[in-house]
Amino acid sequence: GAGVSQSPSNKVTEKGKDVELRCDPISGHTALYWYRQSLGQGLEFLIYFQGNSAPDKSGLPSDRFSAERTGGSVSTLTIQRTQQEDSAVYLCASSRLPSGYTFGSGTRLTVV
Amino acid sequence: AQKITQTQPGMFVQEKEAVTLDCTYDTSDPSYGLFWYKQPSSGEMIFLIYQGSYDQQNATEGRYSLNFQKARKSANLVISASQLGDSAMYFCAMREGGKLIFGQGTTLQVKP
Repeated sequence: GAGVSQSPSNKVTEKGKDVELRCDPISGHTALYWYRQSLGQGLEFLIYFQGNSAPDKSGLPSDRFSAERTGGSVSTLTIQRTQQEDSAVYLCASSRLPSGYTFGSGTRLTVV
Repeated sequence: AQKITQTQPGMFVQEKEAVTLDCTYDTSDPSYGLFWYKQPSSGEMIFLIYQGSYDQQNATEGRYSLNFQKARKSANLVISASQLGDSAMYFCAMREGGKLIFGQGTTLQVKP
């Protein structure tokens, strides 16, 4: 497709379970970003992949959060042992630097 | 310290009037980029306008213009002739290196 695709669009999970969120960037975009947005808040940077370089993980809030990007394309954000405070919209964006960033529609995660 | 500061949590404007949304930033990197995004209630992130740190002229895109004052480290968004469809959350963001960092956002409501 032409845009950034994220799946699932909605995810409800029980506290303590692991979840995987997927991001399929625009073909040819070398940079990929994950953000978290709590209700009514700004976008919190989580992690950034650029080409074959080591990812910038400086925004990951705890060691329960991890992400990988396979083959320079699809990325998966994994949250282990989910907590209620993890409930948020998780947004992915991709970019062919230095041009603009294209965002996906997000995954709304609810931990019950 | 906040890298991007948006001091107006909420703004009102009368339809057809102009409005300025404030943004200040903090960086020691001479090369950076400034972005504005619109996020309507649907949640999608819509790119509005971009200003590079070396650009001599203020960026304009239709009804959007960016008032870039480098010495003051401000990058205010000006929306001319406001429309009801402009009601949304607006985010200022800065690219430093490859990372895109967002402010907390300003909610704009356009009154008929």
